[in-house]
Amino acid sequence: DAGVTQSPTHLIKTRGQHVTLRCSPISGHKSVSWYQQVLGQGPQFIFQYYEKEERGRGNFPDRFSARQFPNYSSELNVNALLLGDSALYLCASSLEDRSTTQYFGPGTRLLVL
Amino acid sequence: AQRVTQPEKLLSVFKGAPVELKCNYSYSGSPELFWYVQYSRQRLQLLLRHISRESIKGFTADLNKGETSFHLKKPFAQEEDSAMYYCALSGKYGNKLVFGAGTILRVKS
Repeated sequence: DAGVTQSPTHLIKTRGQHVTLRCSPISGHKSVSWYQQVLGQGPQFIFQYYEKEERGRGNFPDRFSARQFPNYSSELNVNALLLGDSALYLCASSLEDRSTTQYFGPGTRLLVL
Repeated sequence: AQRVTQPEKLLSVFKGAPVELKCNYSYSGSPELFWYVQYSRQRLQLLLRHISRESIKGFTADLNKGETSFHLKKPFAQEEDSAMYYCALSGKYGNKLVFGAGTILRVKS
């Protein structure tokens, strides 16, 4: 098993554009969470999805949205990009939706110019 | 408010010396506490969680509810322990993790 996979690995966008990041969880895992990690800080929770339903949302503006597909993969969408959205975006999967071990992907590094 | 504080950005020790990475938390209720580690060029991975009460790679961490702390300890540091360490907490429901800013552990030979 390759573990959690994310695509793309790197991305450069300009202000105002939108971006879609993708995540494939470990086989059998039904929960996917997204985190934003700004340089020098710990990861910050954005969303959690379980069985295709949103189960949690962090303190992020409505420009951030996500969804989970029937195969449990997930997309994170960010509209109207700002310079401050430049960060490493991490996806984590877990078997269930409650306080279980989360397995992290390698992340997508987004640079907004 | 939920908050995790790791007061040291960098901890540098010699090989064989004891290590203590500090973590304090703020949470109204009974959180679960975790230590995650990121080795160079590798992804973030779970090191240990307080409910397991186990020792992983020689590391232990005890939850002190009175002091709201969850410090990570190892009696004898090894060079391969050099990494970024994050303390994190989650609530009773859901998988939301709240992370500290992280501490870089550098073990010198």
